[in-house]
Amino acid sequence: EAGVAQSPRYKIIEKRQSVAFWCNPISGHATLYWYQQILGQGPKLLIQFQNNGVVDDSQLPKDRFSAERLKGVDSTLKIQPAKLEDSAVYLCASTFLDRDPGELFFGEGSRLTVL
Amino acid sequence: DQQVKQNSPSLSVQEGRISILNCDYTNSMFDYFLWYKKYPAEGPTFLISISSIKDKNEDGRFTVFLNKSAKHLSLHIVPSQPGDSAVYFCAASLDYGQNFVFGPGTRLSVLP
Repeated sequence: EAGVAQSPRYKIIEKRQSVAFWCNPISGHATLYWYQQILGQGPKLLIQFQNNGVVDDSQLPKDRFSAERLKGVDSTLKIQPAKLEDSAVYLCASTFLDRDPGELFFGEGSRLTVL
Repeated sequence: DQQVKQNSPSLSVQEGRISILNCDYTNSMFDYFLWYKKYPAEGPTFLISISSIKDKNEDGRFTVFLNKSAKHLSLHIVPSQPGDSAVYFCAASLDYGQNFVFGPGTRLSVLP
């Protein structure tokens, strides 16, 4: 089966600019996650969707980050305006409802550098 | 405040020997634990999980041990192979599959 697709793979922007990342999960996966991984740290959950509803966005900095999952398939994560500390890899993951709940399928990530 | 800790940033092991990766956690309410492996420029891939009602789970060369009283889990890889060289993350969940908290990772190098 095709994996989780993410784009762009790399993005360099200046602070205060905006950026958007796109994720296409594995077909049929109802649950979608966005994680932020800062260099030297483990991934941190930003938001979890179940179909097109938000399950958990408690760690999403809502003053600058937004995410949506239209029609319960693709998802977009936006940062506006970006700060230096947003430099990280943004990982999208998806999973089936009836799999091991820990078995997330991750994309390759989108690496953001904020100058 | 790190809830999931992996105190060894790196580990080197000879091919064919056992690799033991350790993870400690602070929240006794965590009820589900995982290990993920990550190669450079790729997303993490799921390795193995264990729920808090068990103290051991095996899958081929990989075994995870959970010591709830010590709030400690470990991943054993036997025998280690060069292809196992990667960064290993442990993660824990409060609500059986919701909101996983990841540790910072341990880089394993398996030397031929």
